[in-house]
Amino acid sequence: DIVLTQSPDTLSLSPGDRATLSCRASQSVSNTYLAWYQQKPGQAPRLLIYAASRRASGIPDRFSGSGSGTDFALTISRLEPEDFAVYYCQYYGSSPLLTFGGGTKVEIK
Amino acid sequence: QLQLQESGPGLVKPSETLSLTCTVSGDSMSSYYWGWIRQPPGKGLEWIGSIYQSGNANYNPSLNSRATISIDSSKNQLSLRLNSVTAADSAVYYCASDRGSSAWYYYWGQGTLVSVSS
Repeated sequence: DIVLTQSPDTLSLSPGDRATLSCRASQSVSNTYLAWYQQKPGQAPRLLIYAASRRASGIPDRFSGSGSGTDFALTISRLEPEDFAVYYCQYYGSSPLLTFGGGTKVEIK
Repeated sequence: QLQLQESGPGLVKPSETLSLTCTVSGDSMSSYYWGWIRQPPGKGLEWIGSIYQSGNANYNPSLNSRATISIDSSKNQLSLRLNSVTAADSAVYYCASDRGSSAWYYYWGQGTLVSVSS
């Protein structure tokens, strides 16, 4: 089974800062099936990035995804107030067929 | 724009069956991939299973074959049944969908909270 480990658990930053979130897979995975979501309290997750680096429809270009093999990252170039939330990475294609990382909370410093 | 709305009992007794429905509006269910995901209060996301219009479903092995997902295109509904529930099944349950891929979900319902308690 592939396990996705996200770090850090919590990232304390200020508006305008750059945020870099990590997602590490327990074994090498295909870029094609790596996605990132944002979730705010009381809301459903929102797809940000798919295929490791492609922005979903309507997602601002301050969000970018990168990585390959076992190490992936979500970068928010300049944090806006509405970006403080929990972020999950997700992989498709192993057992279980779809798996999520444990999440990283981006909080206001 | 596809819209998803989950519905079902908010309280289920231990050992009974949890049944949820996701009503779809805004487009035909064909050509979309569908899934159920849950989130225990204060915890992360867990994939339950996925289905395509063909009716072939895949499930998370951690559920030990307790889950059944089905589509009723005539009613524009996706369904989830989870039998032999315990308190560990208490969670917000989301239905989700994507038009182009089974590998991620662009469209999500708002979620429905299900508690398992006697």
